[in-house]
Amino acid sequence: DGGITQSPKYLFRKEGQNVTLSCEQNLNHDAMYWYRQDPGQGLRLIYYSQIVNDFQKGDIAEGYSVSREKKESFPLTVTSAQKNPTAFYLCASRRRGRTDTQYFGPGTRLTVL
Amino acid sequence: GQQVMQIPQYQHVQEGEDFTTYCNSSTTLSNIQWYKQRPGGHPVFLIQLVKSGEVKKQKRLTFQFGEAKKNSSLHITATQTTDVGTYFCGSNTGNQFYFGTGTSLTVIP
Repeated sequence: DGGITQSPKYLFRKEGQNVTLSCEQNLNHDAMYWYRQDPGQGLRLIYYSQIVNDFQKGDIAEGYSVSREKKESFPLTVTSAQKNPTAFYLCASRRRGRTDTQYFGPGTRLTVL
Repeated sequence: GQQVMQIPQYQHVQEGEDFTTYCNSSTTLSNIQWYKQRPGGHPVFLIQLVKSGEVKKQKRLTFQFGEAKKNSSLHITATQTTDVGTYFCGSNTGNQFYFGTGTSLTVIP
């Protein structure tokens, strides 16, 4: 069953701790993305990667870091430098072709106490 | 980054009424995509429009792409409670993808 998985669904952390959110896909897509969604807000791009070992900053990259060591995996680290980390984090991969589509994982809801 | 504005931000309708959300860009878009996010869920792809003036239908949903390829609309005829959610438009520019701010639809039974 192909798709994107994110774990965990809910995550609680204390202020000042780094936390890593996982994102795995078995769709064989080259491109992967991380978005942040705040209540009643749209999707804001944090980081994206077009290929293994390469990634670019999105509009709100400050306080976040990523790695892309494998095609299937694109983990996001929320560092203590992120001033307001509580949010819903969505990972997506992109299928290129006649229809250029983004496939989203179920998301991780991070709460920093 | 590229600005894709969407209106209205919120819409409450009685079940059976129609609903429309509008997406506007200051620049010409290569394509426009629409996604639906159910409450507590993740965005799911609905459709892509590419051609100027293109109109596509999916049952009660009608999607339009403007002649100048700077705006788009999603119209739902005779809303049902299953239509509840947030509808996003979006477009890709090169390697990046930009989403509109979304319209949250509430359907009152």
